[in-house]
Amino acid sequence: GDSVTQTEGLVTLTEGLPVMLNCTYQTIYSNPFLFWYVQHLNESPRLLLKSFTDNKRTEHQGFHATLHKSSSSFHLQKSSAQLSDSALYYCALSDRTSGSWQLIFGSGTQLTVMP
Amino acid sequence: DTTVKQNPRYKLARVGKPVNLICSQTMNHDTMYWYQKKPNQAPKLLLFYYDKILNREADTFEKFQSSRPNNSFCSLYIGSAGLEYSAMYLCASSRGRVNSDYTFGSGTRLLVI
Repeated sequence: GDSVTQTEGLVTLTEGLPVMLNCTYQTIYSNPFLFWYVQHLNESPRLLLKSFTDNKRTEHQGFHATLHKSSSSFHLQKSSAQLSDSALYYCALSDRTSGSWQLIFGSGTQLTVMP
Repeated sequence: DTTVKQNPRYKLARVGKPVNLICSQTMNHDTMYWYQKKPNQAPKLLLFYYDKILNREADTFEKFQSSRPNNSFCSLYIGSAGLEYSAMYLCASSRGRVNSDYTFGSGTRLLVI
């Protein structure tokens, strides 16, 4: 079945350094929708950005990601990490069964930004 | 109001006892979802309602039940809790389209003892 893989469970880096969180996926659909959700401590997950267009950069709140169908990847990047970026980041894929859509999530990457 | 509300925030249950978790939204979203989240694991989809139609995942089919008496309300019911049910339960809603954003609730943390 469809799946999402986030290889890093924990990422710790210093403020000001670039961020890259990996996400790869498997799907039977030729036009997948990919999402990044972010969950800050004691808050609900919320959408950060999404894309379905191959090789087009999507940006929001300083983060960006590009869907690459050739490599089945949707890595999340930011040029300069801030302390407030510390959170749990989920990559997700839209999947369709039983005639309706639902999200398949990766296991998440906990990003900690140190001063 | 663009929030999903879940009650209670924390729930303590005894093994073998039933558990009922509640979720509500007022955004007129047609689809409501229940996910189970355990530490260091991906949120796992348990079931979802598209309008009045319930879809349950094959591997959790017998473990969880749900009801949606109206568009705004959805419950998750465990008939006999086991230790393995201890987890965070996240409710979400969306318009059920392929690129629709999910709105998540704050979750209910269930501890079974």
